[in-house]
Amino acid sequence: GQNIDQPTEMTATEGAIVQINCTYQTSGFNGLFWYQQHAGEAPTFLSYNVLDGLEEKGRFSSFLSRSKGYSYLLLKELQMKDSASYLCAVFTSGTYKYIFGTGTRLKVLA
Amino acid sequence: DAGITQSPRYKITETGRQVTLMCHQTWSHSYMFWYRQDLGHGLRLIYYSAAADITDKGEVPDGYVVSRSKTENFPLTLESATRSQTSVYFCASSESAYEQYFGPGTRLTVT
Repeated sequence: GQNIDQPTEMTATEGAIVQINCTYQTSGFNGLFWYQQHAGEAPTFLSYNVLDGLEEKGRFSSFLSRSKGYSYLLLKELQMKDSASYLCAVFTSGTYKYIFGTGTRLKVLA
Repeated sequence: DAGITQSPRYKITETGRQVTLMCHQTWSHSYMFWYRQDLGHGLRLIYYSAAADITDKGEVPDGYVVSRSKTENFPLTLESATRSQTSVYFCASSESAYEQYFGPGTRLTVT
């Protein structure tokens, strides 16, 4: 079957670093994506990984290990506005194209 | 300059009625997608389209119909609405099927 797992909720302090993990089992793999979604709003694209390794984009970095079916999103210098849900998604080569995880709700505390 | 828009933003309908949700994008992106988002399930793909007149089923297509006669529009129709179709519906577009741009969503309640 197709499955994506990520923690339901995480809490961190303003200015800190947080790592949100995502593991996946899918039929076919064309890339892994991270989206941010604030409450009541649409998801917005953060990053994607096609090859193994780390992709850095400002305060956000994303890592992928295809052999382990594992990715993480690293958020540095946390700000209050980073309080949101973070969605992990796999772009498959099968019928369903995109499979999304249920999201990790991150709370940033002052 | 609007990007991707959805209408209506909120809709209440009764069981058995036909409902059409509209999606319009101004980028001329090839790919368009319809998702529903429910608590505990995350985003689930209903239908997608790779180009005008090309559509295909996603994970949860039953009870929904789509069409794409023009590149910029991708309407989603619920032929006979059921309570289980109460959800938030997101439309998205993408040039390469990689990075997707999501519309603001339609909150649909079926009574």
